[in-house]
Amino acid sequence: GAGVSQSPSNKVTEKGKDVELRCDPISGHTALYWYRQSLGQGLEFLIYFQGNSAPDKSGLPSDRFSAERTGGSVSTLTIQRTQQEDSAVYLCASSLSYLDEQYFGPGTRLTVT
Amino acid sequence: GENVEQHPSTLSVQEGDSAVIKCTYSDSASNYFPWYKQELGKGPQLIIDIRSNVGEKKDQRIAVTLNKTAKHFSLHITETQPEDSAVYFCAASEAGGSYIPTFGRGTSLIVHP
Repeated sequence: GAGVSQSPSNKVTEKGKDVELRCDPISGHTALYWYRQSLGQGLEFLIYFQGNSAPDKSGLPSDRFSAERTGGSVSTLTIQRTQQEDSAVYLCASSLSYLDEQYFGPGTRLTVT
Repeated sequence: GENVEQHPSTLSVQEGDSAVIKCTYSDSASNYFPWYKQELGKGPQLIIDIRSNVGEKKDQRIAVTLNKTAKHFSLHITETQPEDSAVYFCAASEAGGSYIPTFGRGTSLIVHP
């Protein structure tokens, strides 16, 4: 079946602009995670959605970052007033529930010039 | 919070040799330890995991060992093949908690034919 998809695959934006990154999880998966992967770094947790519960936003680095998950499916990560240090690969993962294996999408490579 | 250290950052081996990647963690509450393989341009993929109630788990050429007393766990790949070349990440999380994993910084494994 279809895996986790993310769009766009690449995004180049100017410093100060807002960007939206999209994640389509595997159908039926109730848990959805966003991570950031900087060059040579591990995966940094950003935010976690589980069903209809309030999201765990403890990993968001600043108030410029926000995320929504509509209808328990598609999620959008928004970065406002982008900075050069926001340049990274943003990965989305989903799982059947928080107890299950996470399946990752291919990521969105964000470059802020 | 949890801190995961991973070594080495780069590992170069000849085809057919074994490869070992080691991780340490700091939070004694962690009890779930997955390993991910990330190929170029793709998201990480779970290859093996271990829970704290066992000390070793094998899956064909891949094995993981866990020493809870010393708070370290290792990935062993035997009879390496060129297609094993990738970046490998270890992670630790607390099952029964948020299940949000803390990742190591990754090991770039290069298998020379």
